[in-house]
Amino acid sequence: NAGVTQTPKFQVLKTGQSMTLQCAQDMNHNSMYWYRQDPGMGLRLIYYSASEGTTDKGEVPNGYNVSRLNKREFSLRLESAAPSQTSVYFCASSERDRDYNEQFFGPGTRLTVL
Amino acid sequence: LAKTTQPISMDSYEGQEVNITCSHNNIATNDYITWYQQFPSQGPRFIIQGYKTKVTNEVASLFIPADRKSSTLSLPRVSLSDTAVYYCLVGGNNFNKFYFGSGTKLNVKP
Repeated sequence: NAGVTQTPKFQVLKTGQSMTLQCAQDMNHNSMYWYRQDPGMGLRLIYYSASEGTTDKGEVPNGYNVSRLNKREFSLRLESAAPSQTSVYFCASSERDRDYNEQFFGPGTRLTVL
Repeated sequence: LAKTTQPISMDSYEGQEVNITCSHNNIATNDYITWYQQFPSQGPRFIIQGYKTKVTNEVASLFIPADRKSSTLSLPRVSLSDTAVYYCLVGGNNFNKFYFGSGTKLNVKP
């Protein structure tokens, strides 16, 4: 099992360019998440998808859109990148049941916006 | 959404027991307490989760007092490879929003 995979690993964009970050999981999890982590900071939730077909905003959704393509895949799109979006982006998934919510994280995408 | 307070950093030596305390005064009745570990250039990794009293697994123990306003992650006999940032999260399992905070940077010295 690969767990959670993310592509690309690194990306440099110019201000105003667009791109999509891809995430896939092979653990048959229902829930998926996108976080960003700025230097020296904790992770902040951008969007999440509790189950296939649903998405919802997290703490910092402005400037981003998401698509839950199917149960395995959850993509994050930057329509017009800004320097403030320079960060490391992590995708995660979990199989949430009534008492337990262990999230599994991917390796991250390091994004620089010039 | 209950937020947490942790020490910014801690130092320890190999072989020692390390206890990291987290304060969460506004914890709600249905909130669980979860700890994650993050190494540089990697995503966080789940360590342990609990609701009350004590939980133990193969890597750590989690102590939660009766009022649940704080919790303590205990790492027995740390090694250099335990050098990482440790995050305490509080959130209910009916919600998908977790507040990671800045975490505690643990530095284990030889």
